[in-house]
Amino acid sequence: EVQLVESGGGLVQPGGSLRLSCAASGFTFSGFWMNWVRQAPGKGLEWVANIEGDGSEKNYLDSVKGRFTISRDNAKNSLYLQMSSLRADDTAVYYCAGGSGWTPESWGQGTPVTVSS
Amino acid sequence: EIVLTQSPGTLSLSPGERATLSCRASQSVTNNFLAWFQQKPGQPPRLLIDDASNRATGIPDRFSGSGSGTDFTLTISRLDPDDFAVYYCHQSAHAPLTFGQGTKVEIK
Repeated sequence: EVQLVESGGGLVQPGGSLRLSCAASGFTFSGFWMNWVRQAPGKGLEWVANIEGDGSEKNYLDSVKGRFTISRDNAKNSLYLQMSSLRADDTAVYYCAGGSGWTPESWGQGTPVTVSS
Repeated sequence: EIVLTQSPGTLSLSPGERATLSCRASQSVTNNFLAWFQQKPGQPPRLLIDDASNRATGIPDRFSGSGSGTDFTLTISRLDPDDFAVYYCHQSAHAPLTFGQGTKVEIK
């Protein structure tokens, strides 16, 4: 059974940094594209970034380029999102989601990030 | 960026009725890489349909997807009480990947 468990969310001040992690199990992690998708309170879904199985290709939402970095450690079956220069509009639940292609087929439960002073 | 516009915003129906949800793309979705997700409060999204018409594993056959190019439809043939939720379409043909704004299916 595919399992994705996010961690690392919390309260951070504007301009601060945070690193999210996602622990994967139940599938061949290195063979999956992995995504971060976020959902602001009471709002819809917004894709943030994805990364190919071997880490060679990465794509980002324009509004996070230069501020967020997606990475993975296939030896640890883990996905990461390093977030810096955080803004109030980055406040959201961040989901880790993966799939054999770009479509996020399986999702974690999410980790909340609040950017506030 | 491909913008996905879903309609209607809210659908008020009774259990047993048929639900038809629309998703229109601002440009053609290559290879029909269009998916539908269901989301209930406090839960992550669940994949229902990918590649426009393929039901994901474990999804009941009352859910069906159709369409191609720029116009896509999710149909729920007979609404079960468990189906009242928010539904999102999603394209994975071009980066940035995008979602529609969602259609809420509520009990009438």
